[in-house]
Amino acid sequence: GNSVTQMEGPVTLSEEAFLTINCTYTATGYPSLFWYVQYPGEGLQLLLKATKADDKGSNKGFEATYRKETTSFHLEKGSVQVSDSAVYFCALSDLGYSTLTFGKGTMLLVSP
Amino acid sequence: DAGVIQSPRHEVTEMGQEVTLRCKPISGHNSLFWYRQTMMRGLELLIYFNNNVPIDDSGMPEDRFSAKMPNASFSTLKIQPSEPRDSAVYFCASSFRLAGGQETQYFGPGTRLLVL
Repeated sequence: GNSVTQMEGPVTLSEEAFLTINCTYTATGYPSLFWYVQYPGEGLQLLLKATKADDKGSNKGFEATYRKETTSFHLEKGSVQVSDSAVYFCALSDLGYSTLTFGKGTMLLVSP
Repeated sequence: DAGVIQSPRHEVTEMGQEVTLRCKPISGHNSLFWYRQTMMRGLELLIYFNNNVPIDDSGMPEDRFSAKMPNASFSTLKIQPSEPRDSAVYFCASSFRLAGGQETQYFGPGTRLLVL
């Protein structure tokens, strides 16, 4: 079956630090990969996505590259802000299926 | 666009009571999903509909849970009778299903349910 594994949090950083949140996946087909973000008290919002190998998704300074050889989709940002504090979810959607398989989420805390 | 709308945003009830959660998907979307989020189990898919028809309800915990989608603009998730272990945040999401799947899901703000 499909599964997504994320690094456990919380990840605690100072403002302007470099961010990496690791995500690896297992899938039977050729999945699309997503990063969602959940701010406190809110629902999940799509942050970025990639639909095929070597694609790079990017948004709001965040980026992630679909690496088929390592089955990974790590999230990176060069300089985090306090407003980036949130929970980040990696997810996959397998070809032909509408449902998403989510990782457990990684909390990011950014201090001034 | 108003996005996915859920009501109520917060619900506190006593064990044994019936709880009904409501969702209005984004206009034009043809797929709707109900999720439950808890600290222990993370985000779980409960059920999803395509064109108002339930496609996969394997995530529904037990018979106390039921979901309906009488039309394209409204869905309910009902818990009867409710138990303290049902306390969680329940999210509704919608999408426009493309051939081959892999479309983007848009989430509502969630309903925080507390069963005492």
